[in-house]
Amino acid sequence: DTGVSQNPRHKITKRGQNVTFRCDPISEHNRLYWYRQTLGQGPEFLTYFQNEAQLEKSRLLSDRFSAERPKGSFSTLEIQRTEQGDSAMYLCASSPKEGTGGLEQYFGPGTRLTVT
Amino acid sequence: QKEVEQNSGPLSVPEGAIASLNCTYSDRGSQSFFWYRQYSGKSPELIMFIYSNGDKEDGRFTAQLNKASQYVSLLIRDSQPSDSATYLCAVNRGGSQGNLIFGKGTKLSVKP
Repeated sequence: DTGVSQNPRHKITKRGQNVTFRCDPISEHNRLYWYRQTLGQGPEFLTYFQNEAQLEKSRLLSDRFSAERPKGSFSTLEIQRTEQGDSAMYLCASSPKEGTGGLEQYFGPGTRLTVT
Repeated sequence: QKEVEQNSGPLSVPEGAIASLNCTYSDRGSQSFFWYRQYSGKSPELIMFIYSNGDKEDGRFTAQLNKASQYVSLLIRDSQPSDSATYLCAVNRGGSQGNLIFGKGTKLSVKP
C-alpha cells in the first residue's frame, strides 16, 4: 500500500504529557499537511509543508504544537503539555508536486488522541 | 457567515435515485474545490475535485461549480447503500495553496 501512513493510530495520554505523531506521505509527494478533526466537524487546517519548509501555520496552532519535516519526507507533530481539549483525530495529508497534479490532498488514516 | 456551509442532513434517498449535495463558500478568492467522502470512524477520502466553472463527471459522480454564485454541488447517480457516508465539501483559502477549509459535512443515507 503506497498511501499516506500515520503512527500511532491511537494514543491515550494523561493531561500534561507530551505526545508525538508521525506521518509518512505518499512517495514523491512534496507537500504535506496536518489537520485536526473533532466529532461532527470537518477537518481544521493546522499546518502545511512544501518539502522541508513549513509554509503556513494556522492561528489554531498554539505554542504547544510544533511540526517538523526535517528531510522533506516524513513529518512529526508534537503536542506539549496536552489538555483535554486536544482530544481529536489528527489527520495528515499529502499532495503531488506542483506541475504534476493539482492541489488534491490525500489523507492518511489518522491518529486518534484521547487526553484523560 | 460561515466560510463553507453545507446542510448537515441527514439526506435520505432510495437506492437507485440521484443524491444532490450542496455547498456554498464565502471566499471569492478560492480557486480549488473538493468533495470528500468520510465513513464513520474513518478518514476523508477524495472523490472529486473541480477547478473551473461548469460540470465535471467521473463515473456516477458529477461535480458542479458556479464561482459567480459561490456554489459547489455533488450529484451521485444510481445511489447505492455503500454511498451512505458523510460528504465533506472543501475549498482552498484564497491566496493559499495548502489551506483547505472544510464544511461540517452532509450525512447521506441511501435506503435499500
